[in-house]
Amino acid sequence: GQNIDQPTEMTATEGAIVQINCTYQTSGFNGLFWYQQHAGEAPTFLSYNVLDGLEEKGRFSSFLSRSKGYSYLLLKELQMKDSASYLCAAYTNAGKSTFGDGTTLTVKP
Amino acid sequence: EPEVTQTPSHQVTQMGQEVILRCVPISNHLYFYWYRQILGQKVEFLVSFYNNEISEKSEIFDDQFSVERPDGSNFTLKIRSTKLEDSAMYFCASMGDKARDGYTFGSGTRLTVV
Repeated sequence: GQNIDQPTEMTATEGAIVQINCTYQTSGFNGLFWYQQHAGEAPTFLSYNVLDGLEEKGRFSSFLSRSKGYSYLLLKELQMKDSASYLCAAYTNAGKSTFGDGTTLTVKP
Repeated sequence: EPEVTQTPSHQVTQMGQEVILRCVPISNHLYFYWYRQILGQKVEFLVSFYNNEISEKSEIFDDQFSVERPDGSNFTLKIRSTKLEDSAMYFCASMGDKARDGYTFGSGTRLTVV
């Protein structure tokens, strides 16, 4: 079966760092996506991890541990525009993705 | 920046009617997808399409649904005999030959079945 878990909501302060965790149980796992989705808009691609470890891309970093079925997205120097839903998705060998429910991040001044 | 284009942006249809949602994926992409998102819920996989055929489909994608790539650019999702529970945002997405570049999603079609 497929199961993706991530927190429903998080709140952080502008300029701070926030870590959004995701655990997954997926057959045929290939890699782990993170997407950002603003309300009423389409998801936009942030990162893809296939190997264990941390990948850094500007203010955003993503980590994967395949043995633990665990990933996190790290957002640094938070800005108000980072308020959005962050979607964790497991990409499988079959070429499809199973998405989590998303974590709604609210950045406060 | 290349875009995935979806039309229409909104579609209202009566229960039992057929609808066709249209998408123009990025031209050099190889993999095409339909996902849907019911309001307030998660993004759900419907179907993937590669090399002119369906490569994977979900349990949601039953006989009511079909996909076509009628020419070199368009990718369509047909929903026959729509039901109230088909009301959702339908996203088309495409991907190149590397998963590490992720999906590019279209802006979606908001389907409302009344």
